[in-house]
Amino acid sequence: ETGVTQSPTHLIKTRGQQVTLRCSSQSGHNTVSWYQQALGQGPQFIFQYYREEENGRGNFPPRFSGLQFPNYSSELNVNALELDDSALYLCASSGQGAGANVLTFGAGSRLTVL
Amino acid sequence: GEDVEQSLFLSVREGDSSVINCTYTDSSSTYLYWYKQEPGAGLQLLTYIFSNMDMKQDQRLTVLLNKKDKHLSLRIADTQTGDSAIYFCAEVPNFGNEKLTFGTGTRLTIIP
Repeated sequence: ETGVTQSPTHLIKTRGQQVTLRCSSQSGHNTVSWYQQALGQGPQFIFQYYREEENGRGNFPPRFSGLQFPNYSSELNVNALELDDSALYLCASSGQGAGANVLTFGAGSRLTVL
Repeated sequence: GEDVEQSLFLSVREGDSSVINCTYTDSSSTYLYWYKQEPGAGLQLLTYIFSNMDMKQDQRLTVLLNKKDKHLSLRIADTQTGDSAIYFCAEVPNFGNEKLTFGTGTRLTIIP
């Protein structure tokens, strides 16, 4: 069983640019969540996708957007990058159904905005 | 809104027990979690507890939940150097909601 994979692992952008981060969910998982982890902080929920639709959103502006594909993989897009967008972006997948909401996290994509 | 708090640092001698504490504000929390993050890595789920439980034990890990005080703790018995990491507690407010609210993390340092 493969885990959650994210790409790229590291990238550097400049203010005003746009970035796309990618995530492949764990086999059998149909829900993908994205989190932003700033340096020295805990992860903050950005949004979640289920059945290719956004299914909940945290306190992030509209320039943070996402997609989920029929194979349950997902993208996070950030437009008009700001310096404060520098962070580790974590993708997590989970399966809908009874039981605990157990999320499996990827290793993250570290974005630096200059 | 929900808030989860942890102390930032903990140092423990190798072989001793580590106790990492967490407090939360959302009284409707259903599940509470402990995640481990090693340098350069994502989050690894260690254990979780449902809000109607007081305690859960899993090998070296013991989770205690005081729902009245909204206090969660993680005890690691016989702490080893491989336990050095940042530990996050997290909660979800209701069943079926997968939006986790995380604390700021506790950095556990093992003293040889």
